[in-house]
Amino acid sequence: DTAVSQTPKYLVTQMGNDKSIKCEQNLGHDTMYWYKQDSKKFLKIMFSYNNKELIINETVPNRFSPKSPDKAHLNLHINSLELGDSAVYFCASSFRDSLEAFFGQGTRLTVV
Amino acid sequence: RKEVEQDPGPFNVPEGATVAFNCTYSNSASQSFFWYRQDCRKEPKLLMSVYSSGNEDGRFTAQLNRASQYISLLIRDSKLSDSATYLCVVNELDDMRFGAGTRLTVKP
Repeated sequence: DTAVSQTPKYLVTQMGNDKSIKCEQNLGHDTMYWYKQDSKKFLKIMFSYNNKELIINETVPNRFSPKSPDKAHLNLHINSLELGDSAVYFCASSFRDSLEAFFGQGTRLTVV
Repeated sequence: RKEVEQDPGPFNVPEGATVAFNCTYSNSASQSFFWYRQDCRKEPKLLMSVYSSGNEDGRFTAQLNRASQYISLLIRDSKLSDSATYLCVVNELDDMRFGAGTRLTVKP
């Protein structure tokens, strides 16, 4: 069983479209994260959810909105996609106290 | 100043070599520290946590110097399979900050 799974693995879409990336974890973790890894391979945190509450919201455009239907899921919705949104997006989860994070396999988003 | 800084490398070493990576962090209130490994086109995976007393896991040794705010990773007897990017991670309660990563290539 995959501990942290995200779908789709690859996503190619046109500018201006709206898309969602789904993430699910079966580890019983109470905190989930979204990271963006750009072409320079730098991992930057975007959002963090703890018990369905947003606890970190980095200065990302409001076109990005995390949605957490329950503790095991944290989806990322992106409106009006731009070329600069092209990157690999990683979902991760952890216990808040532990902070040893487990990552999903990543979603490679390409905006054309 | 970046919150977590690493030498990006690349480090190209022969098999059997010893290689060391350093990482500095800016927030003295940081609470926990990790080294992650990321293979090409793969997700980051935890390599080891870093404790103040230093810790060792086989060929890997991690150390933390809180006074100087730096973390190190030493790899002894490098293997071809050690080739990857090594990410320094610093945690401040709910906020995990990644360094840009240091790329290591071990050659035959």
